[in-house]
Amino acid sequence: DTAVSQTPKYLVTQMGNDKSIKCEQNLGHDTMYWYKQDSKKFLKIMFSYNNKELIINETVPNRFSPKSPDKAHLNLHINSLELGDSAVYFCASSVQGVETQYFGPGTRLLVL
Amino acid sequence: AQSVTQLGSHVSVSEGALVLLRCNYSSSVPPYLFWYVQYPNQGLQLLLKYTTGATLVKGINGFEAEFKKSETSFHLTKPSAHMSDAAEYFCAVIASNDYKLSFGAGTTVTVRA
Repeated sequence: DTAVSQTPKYLVTQMGNDKSIKCEQNLGHDTMYWYKQDSKKFLKIMFSYNNKELIINETVPNRFSPKSPDKAHLNLHINSLELGDSAVYFCASSVQGVETQYFGPGTRLLVL
Repeated sequence: AQSVTQLGSHVSVSEGALVLLRCNYSSSVPPYLFWYVQYPNQGLQLLLKYTTGATLVKGINGFEAEFKKSETSFHLTKPSAHMSDAAEYFCAVIASNDYKLSFGAGTTVTVRA
């Protein structure tokens, strides 16, 4: 029944490792997003896909690579993890850009 | 480009008192405005949104907000605070021709018994 789901919920890893976060939505939406929430709770858009096409690519290190295998899925792969990557990563989806964005529960990433 | 300023990073209210969270926006085109709430260790949940039409918008849990174009504001209110209202609140703006949702820095609400 979960509208936007993310796995894993928690991720603890060492510097230099590569990790992936998965997101799935069952709302039939065309657009999906990745946001990063830092330790001060500031939310910033990272990427957005519309119908599997990348439409937003903010100033994010190229160690971060999103992949959308289909409209319902948007994954985030992070190479060579750094301490500063520790944050909560939220996936979201919407019908179109200006419509309400529905958020997943977040993935709490801690890089040691 | 769009941006949002939330005045006051922390608001403390007594149970039963008025909750007022301030949000001012900047947008070069007609904006769509949102308020989201985030409970501890959870994702964001939409409280209410303004797109077009009536400027007083009612949302869930007794919250409402008024869009004031002349003041570029979209303040959130609730007449009577409940303990369950303790959370982080985010104001957000998106241009009517865009996909990029810009969030304010958030306001933490604590409710005193």
